[in-house]
Amino acid sequence: KAGVTQTPRYLIKTRGQQVTLSCSPISGHRSVSWYQQTPGQGLQFLFEYFSETQRNKGNFPGRFSGRQFSNSRSEMNVSTLELGDSALYLCASSLHGQSSYEQYFGPGTRLTVT
Amino acid sequence: AQTVTQSQPEMSVQEAETVTLSCTYDTSENNYYLFWYKQPPSRQMILVIRQEAYKQQNATENRFSVNFQKAAKSFSLKISDSQLGDTAMYFCAFMKHQGNNRLAFGKGNQVVVIP
Repeated sequence: KAGVTQTPRYLIKTRGQQVTLSCSPISGHRSVSWYQQTPGQGLQFLFEYFSETQRNKGNFPGRFSGRQFSNSRSEMNVSTLELGDSALYLCASSLHGQSSYEQYFGPGTRLTVT
Repeated sequence: AQTVTQSQPEMSVQEAETVTLSCTYDTSENNYYLFWYKQPPSRQMILVIRQEAYKQQNATENRFSVNFQKAAKSFSLKISDSQLGDTAMYFCAFMKHQGNNRLAFGKGNQVVVIP
Protein backbone atom coordinates (compact mmCIF):
# COMPACT_ATOMS: atom_id res chain seq x y z
CA LYS A 1 0.00 0.00 0.00
CA ALA A 2 1.26 3.44 -0.85
CA GLY A 3 1.92 5.71 2.12
CA VAL A 4 0.65 9.20 2.76
CA THR A 5 1.77 11.57 0.05
CA GLN A 6 2.08 15.32 0.24
CA THR A 7 2.59 17.75 -2.60
CA PRO A 8 4.53 19.80 -3.19
CA ARG A 9 7.47 18.78 -1.03
CA TYR A 10 9.06 22.22 -1.08
CA LEU A 11 7.56 25.62 -1.70
CA ILE A 12 8.83 29.17 -1.63
CA LYS A 13 6.31 31.98 -1.45
CA THR A 14 6.36 35.72 -0.86
CA ARG A 15 4.67 37.53 2.01
CA GLY A 16 1.06 38.32 1.18
CA GLN A 17 0.61 35.46 -1.25
CA GLN A 18 -1.55 32.44 -0.63
CA VAL A 19 -0.64 28.77 -0.83
CA THR A 20 -2.44 25.43 -1.12
CA LEU A 21 -0.92 22.20 0.12
CA SER A 22 -2.23 18.77 -0.74
CA CYS A 23 -2.35 15.52 1.19
CA SER A 24 -3.38 12.14 -0.17
CA PRO A 25 -4.07 9.62 2.61
CA ILE A 26 -3.43 5.93 2.53
CA SER A 27 -6.10 4.17 0.49
CA GLY A 28 -9.15 3.50 2.65
CA HIS A 29 -8.22 6.02 5.33
CA ARG A 30 -10.96 8.53 6.02
CA SER A 31 -9.36 10.80 8.59
CA VAL A 32 -6.75 13.41 7.70
CA SER A 33 -5.06 15.68 10.24
CA TRP A 34 -2.71 18.58 9.63
CA TYR A 35 0.16 19.80 11.81
CA GLN A 36 2.57 22.71 11.62
CA GLN A 37 6.14 22.12 12.78
CA THR A 38 8.48 25.03 13.56
CA PRO A 39 11.68 25.19 15.60
CA GLY A 40 10.13 27.65 18.03
CA GLN A 41 6.62 26.28 18.55
CA GLY A 42 7.25 22.62 17.82
CA LEU A 43 4.41 20.51 16.43
CA GLN A 44 1.02 22.15 16.58
CA PHE A 45 -2.32 20.73 15.51
CA LEU A 46 -4.08 22.65 12.75
CA PHE A 47 -7.26 20.69 11.99
CA GLU A 48 -8.71 17.27 11.33
CA TYR A 49 -11.15 16.11 8.69
CA PHE A 50 -13.23 12.98 8.64
CA SER A 51 -15.62 12.14 5.83
CA GLU A 52 -15.36 15.66 4.41
CA THR A 53 -16.23 17.29 7.75
CA GLN A 54 -13.89 19.33 9.89
CA ARG A 55 -14.24 17.84 13.35
CA ASN A 56 -11.47 19.57 15.21
CA LYS A 57 -9.55 22.80 14.82
CA GLY A 58 -6.42 24.05 16.52
CA ASN A 59 -5.64 27.55 17.68
CA PHE A 60 -4.68 29.12 14.38
CA PRO A 61 -5.99 32.28 12.72
CA GLY A 62 -8.66 32.14 10.06
CA ARG A 63 -6.01 32.52 7.36
CA PHE A 64 -5.50 28.79 7.76
CA SER A 65 -8.26 26.72 6.24
CA GLY A 66 -8.73 23.29 4.83
CA ARG A 67 -11.09 20.91 3.19
CA GLN A 68 -11.47 17.25 2.41
CA PHE A 69 -12.80 15.74 -0.76
CA SER A 70 -15.02 12.69 -1.23
CA ASN A 71 -11.94 10.56 -2.02
CA SER A 72 -10.49 11.62 1.39
CA ARG A 73 -7.75 13.74 -0.16
CA SER A 74 -7.29 16.93 1.77
CA GLU A 75 -5.99 20.38 1.05
CA MET A 76 -4.99 23.15 3.35
CA ASN A 77 -4.81 26.77 2.34
CA VAL A 78 -2.96 29.65 3.92
CA SER A 79 -3.91 33.11 2.74
CA THR A 80 -1.98 36.36 3.16
CA LEU A 81 1.23 34.56 4.05
CA GLU A 82 3.42 35.89 6.84
CA LEU A 83 7.09 35.20 7.51
CA GLY A 84 6.06 33.22 10.59
CA ASP A 85 4.16 30.75 8.42
CA SER A 86 7.47 29.28 7.29
CA ALA A 87 7.33 25.73 8.58
CA LEU A 88 7.13 22.06 7.81
CA TYR A 89 3.48 21.12 7.30
CA LEU A 90 2.70 17.50 8.06
CA CYS A 91 -0.44 15.61 7.38
CA ALA A 92 -1.43 12.29 8.90
CA SER A 93 -4.11 9.82 7.96
CA SER A 94 -5.85 7.11 9.91
CA LEU A 95 -8.30 4.36 9.04
CA HIS A 96 -11.19 5.54 11.14
CA GLY A 97 -11.99 8.52 13.27
CA GLN A 98 -11.31 6.79 16.57
CA SER A 99 -8.34 7.75 18.66
CA SER A 100 -7.09 4.23 19.02
CA TYR A 101 -6.11 3.85 15.41
CA GLU A 102 -2.57 4.63 14.39
CA GLN A 103 -1.92 7.82 12.47
CA TYR A 104 0.45 7.58 9.50
CA PHE A 105 2.35 10.70 8.63
CA GLY A 106 3.39 11.99 5.25
CA PRO A 107 6.87 13.36 4.45
CA GLY A 108 5.71 16.95 4.84
CA THR A 109 5.72 20.10 2.77
CA ARG A 110 8.48 22.58 3.58
CA LEU A 111 7.07 26.08 3.12
CA THR A 112 9.41 29.05 3.09
CA VAL A 113 7.93 32.55 3.11
CA THR A 114 10.26 35.37 2.05
CA ALA B 1 -5.71 21.93 27.16
CA GLN B 2 -3.26 19.10 27.55
CA THR B 3 0.43 19.88 27.86
CA VAL B 4 3.27 17.49 27.25
CA THR B 5 6.73 18.18 28.66
CA GLN B 6 10.00 16.62 27.58
CA SER B 7 13.28 17.57 29.20
CA GLN B 8 16.83 16.57 28.21
CA PRO B 9 16.68 18.14 24.74
CA GLU B 10 19.73 16.26 23.42
CA MET B 11 21.15 12.91 24.47
CA SER B 12 24.03 10.82 23.15
CA VAL B 13 24.29 7.08 23.60
CA GLN B 14 26.84 4.50 22.54
CA GLU B 15 25.74 1.87 20.09
CA ALA B 16 24.30 -1.20 21.89
CA GLU B 17 23.70 0.80 25.08
CA THR B 18 20.37 1.80 26.62
CA VAL B 19 18.86 5.27 26.75
CA THR B 20 15.74 6.48 28.54
CA LEU B 21 13.70 9.50 27.52
CA SER B 22 11.33 11.13 29.97
CA CYS B 23 7.92 12.66 29.35
CA THR B 24 5.33 14.12 31.66
CA TYR B 25 1.89 15.37 30.76
CA ASP B 26 -0.91 17.29 32.33
CA THR B 27 -4.53 16.29 31.85
CA SER B 28 -7.81 15.99 33.70
CA GLU B 29 -8.93 13.17 31.43
CA ASN B 30 -9.13 9.61 32.67
CA ASN B 31 -9.13 7.86 29.32
CA TYR B 32 -6.45 8.78 26.84
CA TYR B 33 -3.61 7.49 24.70
CA LEU B 34 0.10 8.19 24.82
CA PHE B 35 2.55 7.82 21.99
CA TRP B 36 6.21 8.07 21.19
CA TYR B 37 7.00 9.17 17.66
CA LYS B 38 10.40 9.17 16.01
CA GLN B 39 11.44 11.76 13.42
CA PRO B 40 14.76 10.92 11.73
CA PRO B 41 16.65 13.44 9.58
CA SER B 42 14.34 12.56 6.68
CA ARG B 43 11.56 14.28 8.71
CA GLN B 44 9.24 11.29 8.26
CA MET B 45 7.29 10.92 11.50
CA ILE B 46 7.10 7.28 12.56
CA LEU B 47 5.09 5.79 15.41
CA VAL B 48 7.38 3.94 17.81
CA ILE B 49 5.01 2.79 20.52
CA ARG B 50 1.53 3.41 21.89
CA GLN B 51 0.01 3.08 25.36
CA GLU B 52 -3.66 3.09 26.31
CA ALA B 53 -4.19 4.75 29.68
CA TYR B 54 -6.67 2.11 30.84
CA LYS B 55 -4.04 -0.62 30.42
CA GLN B 56 -1.78 -1.09 33.40
CA GLN B 57 0.71 -3.21 31.50
CA ASN B 58 3.52 -1.23 29.94
CA ALA B 59 3.72 -1.44 26.15
CA THR B 60 6.74 -2.96 24.44
CA GLU B 61 7.77 -3.08 20.79
CA ASN B 62 10.96 -5.03 20.20
CA ARG B 63 13.79 -2.88 21.61
CA PHE B 64 11.41 -0.11 22.70
CA SER B 65 9.49 -0.16 25.95
CA VAL B 66 7.69 2.37 28.11
CA ASN B 67 7.28 2.99 31.80
CA PHE B 68 3.78 4.37 32.21
CA GLN B 69 2.96 5.83 35.62
CA LYS B 70 -0.61 7.11 35.40
CA ALA B 71 -0.79 8.65 38.86
CA ALA B 72 2.44 10.53 38.29
CA LYS B 73 1.42 11.40 34.70
CA SER B 74 4.74 10.10 33.49
CA PHE B 75 5.50 8.19 30.29
CA SER B 76 9.15 7.38 29.65
CA LEU B 77 10.63 5.54 26.68
CA LYS B 78 13.51 3.10 26.97
CA ILE B 79 15.53 2.22 23.89
CA SER B 80 17.58 -0.92 24.44
CA ASP B 81 20.52 -2.11 22.33
CA SER B 82 20.66 1.27 20.57
CA GLN B 83 21.37 1.18 16.85
CA LEU B 84 22.68 3.87 14.52
CA GLY B 85 19.25 4.01 12.86
CA ASP B 86 17.74 5.12 16.16
CA THR B 87 19.35 8.54 15.72
CA ALA B 88 16.34 10.86 15.53
CA MET B 89 14.13 13.35 17.34
CA TYR B 90 11.71 11.57 19.63
CA PHE B 91 8.38 13.16 20.42
CA CYS B 92 6.03 12.23 23.21
CA ALA B 93 2.39 12.81 22.30
CA PHE B 94 -1.00 12.74 24.03
CA MET B 95 -4.46 12.14 22.64
CA LYS B 96 -7.78 12.18 24.47
CA HIS B 97 -10.04 9.18 24.10
CA GLN B 98 -12.31 9.99 21.18
CA GLY B 99 -10.19 13.07 20.64
CA ASN B 100 -10.69 13.05 16.89
CA ASN B 101 -7.07 12.25 16.20
CA ARG B 102 -5.80 15.45 17.77
CA LEU B 103 -2.28 14.87 19.05
CA ALA B 104 -0.58 17.19 21.53
CA PHE B 105 3.19 16.88 21.18
CA GLY B 106 6.09 17.61 23.47
CA LYS B 107 9.08 19.63 22.23
CA GLY B 108 11.10 16.53 21.46
CA ASN B 109 14.35 14.85 22.51
CA GLN B 110 17.25 14.59 20.08
CA VAL B 111 18.92 11.19 20.42
CA VAL B 112 22.29 10.61 18.77
CA VAL B 113 23.66 7.07 18.66
CA ILE B 114 27.45 7.02 18.51
CA PRO B 115 29.24 4.08 16.88
